[in-house]
Amino acid sequence: SQTIHQWPATLVQPVGSPLSLECTVEGTSNPNLYWYRQAAGRGLQLLFYSVGIGQISSEVPQNLSASRPQDRQFILSSKKLLLSDSGFYLCAWSLGTAGQPQHFGDGTRLSIL
Amino acid sequence: SQQGEEDPQALSIQEGENATMNCSYKTSINNLQWYRQNSGRGLVHLILIRSNEREKHSGRLRVTLDTSKKSSSLLITASRAADTASYFCAPTNNAGNMLTFGGGTRLMVKP
Repeated sequence: SQTIHQWPATLVQPVGSPLSLECTVEGTSNPNLYWYRQAAGRGLQLLFYSVGIGQISSEVPQNLSASRPQDRQFILSSKKLLLSDSGFYLCAWSLGTAGQPQHFGDGTRLSIL
Repeated sequence: SQQGEEDPQALSIQEGENATMNCSYKTSINNLQWYRQNSGRGLVHLILIRSNEREKHSGRLRVTLDTSKKSSSLLITASRAADTASYFCAPTNNAGNMLTFGGGTRLMVKP
């Protein structure tokens, strides 16, 4: 069966520090991968998605970047965090065909001080 | 991708009652998906209904789809305290795999 792992679960970082959040998927090949951010009590905002190694599409211009160095690894990064980067970050995967359900990790709660 | 809008924003019921949540969308769809999110956790896919289906059941969940009204509803029967969560709909089309989520319905089931 397929599983998705996201870490760390919580993170407290100072303004201006770098960020690296990692997501890995097991049990499937060539998945679509997604990064979302969720503000408290709100819906999800799609940040990045990837349909293959090295292929990244950005939905929202921002202080963040994403990379997919391996088929089942998706990394969210920032060189300098802003206060506005605080939030709940979720990684998800789906099969490659259109309209497929997405499967989410347990998220990372990021607080910027 | 297109966004679904859930209604109501919040719903509070007693254990054992039924909970109904609604979703509206704007353009034609291939399917519509419902997800649940427990507090502080990721979303969990509940059910997918295709555009040529009108109703679908899964355990205590019943989903209806009215493509003429561009709306869907999720009914949870005989609710339990463990059903307390936020519920999101995600309409999809053949343009790709991007899902856009609205603000969700926050359901509280009181024991």
